[in-house]
Amino acid sequence: EAQVTQNPRYLITVTGKKLTVTCSQNMNHEYMSWYRQDPGLGLRQIYYSMNVEVTDKGDVPEGYKVSRKEKRNFPLILESPSPNQTSLYFCASSLLAGSHLRSLHFGNGTRLTVT
Amino acid sequence: QKEVEQDPGPLSVPEGAIVSLNCTYSNSAFQYFMWYRQYSRKGPELLMYTYSSGNKEDGRFTAQVDKSSKYISLFIRDSQPSDSATYLCAMGQGTDKLIFGTGTRLQVFP
Repeated sequence: EAQVTQNPRYLITVTGKKLTVTCSQNMNHEYMSWYRQDPGLGLRQIYYSMNVEVTDKGDVPEGYKVSRKEKRNFPLILESPSPNQTSLYFCASSLLAGSHLRSLHFGNGTRLTVT
Repeated sequence: QKEVEQDPGPLSVPEGAIVSLNCTYSNSAFQYFMWYRQYSRKGPELLMYTYSSGNKEDGRFTAQVDKSSKYISLFIRDSQPSDSATYLCAMGQGTDKLIFGTGTRLQVFP
């Protein structure tokens, strides 16, 4: 089954404790992206990657890191989480060549709480 | 002012009703217009895609784009309880990032 898999689904952590949210897709997609979803603010892009070893900042990259060492994986790293990073996070992927705007495939989300 | 505005609802309608969901936008350069559906505790899934102006129909769903008014709509005919979800509009240009609306929560009661 074609899918984007995020882990964990739920995570509660404390301020300053480094964490990684994993994202993996099995569709051989070039484009991958991380979003956070907050009430009243909608989906905001954190980082995106057009291909392996190519990453770029989205709208709200502060406090986050990403890496794209393999095509299928795009982990999101929070080096020192803070309470304002409490949010619902989504990983998404798409074929590229101009089509990535049309068919983003989303994972089922990771609900992160930072206390 | 946000680039994309969407009424958050919630919108509560009886089964069988026609539902109209709308978004307005400010950037006249947007070329692609999409509607995503998001069920509770799930990620958004693409429902409809439209390029430029006009209508597109898929079963009970019709997407409309009016670029002169910077206004897009999604109509759902014969709404079902299974349509209860949050509907997100999204739009973009070229290969730039998508801009999402904040979503409208729809509840269809039997």
